[in-house]
Amino acid sequence: AQTVTQSQPEMSVQEAETVTLSCTYDTSESDYYLFWYKQPPSRQMILVIRQEAYKQQNATENRFSVNFQKAAKSFSLKISDSQLGDAAMYFCAYRYQGAQKLVFGQGTRLTINP
Amino acid sequence: DAGVIQSPRHEVTEMGQEVTLRCKPISGHDYLFWYRQTMMRGLELLIYFNNNVPIDDSGMPEDRFSAKMPNASFSTLKIQPSEPRDSAVYFCASSSRLAGGTYEQYFGPGTRLTVT
Repeated sequence: AQTVTQSQPEMSVQEAETVTLSCTYDTSESDYYLFWYKQPPSRQMILVIRQEAYKQQNATENRFSVNFQKAAKSFSLKISDSQLGDAAMYFCAYRYQGAQKLVFGQGTRLTINP
Repeated sequence: DAGVIQSPRHEVTEMGQEVTLRCKPISGHDYLFWYRQTMMRGLELLIYFNNNVPIDDSGMPEDRFSAKMPNASFSTLKIQPSEPRDSAVYFCASSSRLAGGTYEQYFGPGTRLTVT
């Protein structure tokens, strides 16, 4: 069974600095998708970024980028120029290409210090 | 687009009562998902539908839980009878095939259920 592990229950960073959130996953599949979701205090789950496993290039969305290491089964999220609005729980998620089920990690709570 | 709509946003009920959570997916989406979020178990998929048909209900915890999707624009998750351990945030999500062939799930705001 596929599993997703986020080893950092909490992280904090100074405003305007860079922070990296870690995620590892376990799968025997070769075709899959990886996601980072943000959950602010409002509870809304917001998709931050998506990575297709067949793509070697790391995905980037404005201040958010990933470091996808397929062989190591690692998928970290880098947030540059952190802003107060980035404070939230961040969830890493996996989905096998041939399925619809999302498997989530336990989440990392990110605090931004002004 | 209004996004995924869930009601109610908060529900407080007494043990033994029936609870019904409602979801309206994004128009045109052909998949609908029900998730439960708790501190102990995190986010877990309960059931999902494709074109109104249940595809995988292996995450439904027990017979007290049931889900229906009578049409493409409405789904319910029912708990009868409710128990305190059912207290959680319940999310509905929907998805459809995007250009390029992938699917992305869009989540509703969730329903916070408290069973006393």
